[in-house]
Amino acid sequence: DAKTTQPTSMDCAEGRAANLPCNHSTISGNEYVYWYRQIHSQGPQYIIHGLKNNETNEMASLIITEDRKSSTLILPHATLRDTAVYYCIVRSNTGNQFYFGTGTSLTVIP
Amino acid sequence: NAGVMQNPRHLVRRRGQEARLRCSPMKGHSHVYWYRQLPEEGLKFMVYLQKENIIDESGMPKERFSAEFPKEGPSILRIQQVVRGDSAAYFCASAEAGTGYQPQHFGDGTRLSIL
Repeated sequence: DAKTTQPTSMDCAEGRAANLPCNHSTISGNEYVYWYRQIHSQGPQYIIHGLKNNETNEMASLIITEDRKSSTLILPHATLRDTAVYYCIVRSNTGNQFYFGTGTSLTVIP
Repeated sequence: NAGVMQNPRHLVRRRGQEARLRCSPMKGHSHVYWYRQLPEEGLKFMVYLQKENIIDESGMPKERFSAEFPKEGPSILRIQQVVRGDSAAYFCASAEAGTGYQPQHFGDGTRLSIL
């Protein structure tokens, strides 16, 4: 069952930061937050994951609130190639699957 | 999605035939997962395998579907006596052994079309 809530769609101007929110108010203490994206006709691409500290890598930053009930994925300088469906997923180390809900369809506008 | 290799990318079968989908995990990964994506829907988990063992098949249909991950060679998802409803994109993911928090890395899928 879905444990996260995301907006259905968002737009972002090219070159601006894209901030994608995710609510996970029932997250358990042993569950990490993962972000994936799926560009049309491709497989899901892993972006980033974290537990409670903010994380940053070459693709994005992940900001997790102190109570861990929500998080935000930040793409610092969105490009047209970032147009995709973005999935926020919570999972523990005993869960075998990633549950892909409906995600957020991000459209980067020129 | 470099690393996880799936083939074929596209597969066409007639109703009643068998479909075999192959997945080679990333180097060093010993865990393989299969997911199915119907048109306009999210990915749905099917099965999780480690070398020579099925760990979790809770998402596999009870009939006609089977999966294996032999000691040598790729993981195979096999669908017998295919029907039109089997038309979908089938994605394989792999992960390395560890704490269980390792992310899964996906291939670009096999698109199965049933005539």
